[in-house]
Amino acid sequence: DQQVKQNSPSLSVQEGRISILNCDYTNSMFDYFLWYKKYPAEGPTFLISISSIKDKNEDGRFTVFLNKSAKHLSLHIVPSQPGDSAVYFCAASWGTSGSRLTFGEGTQLTVNP
Amino acid sequence: DGGITQSPKYLFRKEGQNVTLSCEQNLNHDAMYWYRQDPGQGLRLIYYSQIVNDFQKGDIAEGYSVSREKKESFPLTVTSAQKNPTAFYLCASSIQGGNTEAFFGQGTRLTVV
Repeated sequence: DQQVKQNSPSLSVQEGRISILNCDYTNSMFDYFLWYKKYPAEGPTFLISISSIKDKNEDGRFTVFLNKSAKHLSLHIVPSQPGDSAVYFCAASWGTSGSRLTFGEGTQLTVNP
Repeated sequence: DGGITQSPKYLFRKEGQNVTLSCEQNLNHDAMYWYRQDPGQGLRLIYYSQIVNDFQKGDIAEGYSVSREKKESFPLTVTSAQKNPTAFYLCASSIQGGNTEAFFGQGTRLTVV
């Protein structure tokens, strides 16, 4: 049972344009959502998170939107840069589970110069 | 420098042998986690520990064992009972409690031949 799903295995965008990565979840207990960025043969690095009491969180070029009724979140990167090319993982947790994170399958983002 | 250290980065073992992956953190985090990543899949939780001398099974614990004798250390043993041990293994840690991000090590690529 895949509780967190990223339906797009890959996304390609031009440098300077917006990248939108999507994530859906099924477990209504989830109340904290995170995005991680991962390069090959390295550990994931934390990008940005959002609590379920918010619908938007912004940090520089990165913005995460949460639509609880649709059980959907998205990561917007504006403007996209070639260095943003990596695999992006969506993850979720709920209060008592701490950082026991449930991950999506990941989306490979390629930003073309 | 605070962080999580996994060693070795690459590990080769013969089929039927047990192997132990090391994970050390100096972030003073109470909680530690082991995840496994396979191609095209998200990270799946193997074991986690929220406090010294205590640990719980994650989603795919069969064929693995762990110990948590010290706060800083959370070694993972891949036993001969694990049917498909070849994978990328990631260790993470976090503060205790909910709504917090986990910090990851650089990973260990285990190849069983």
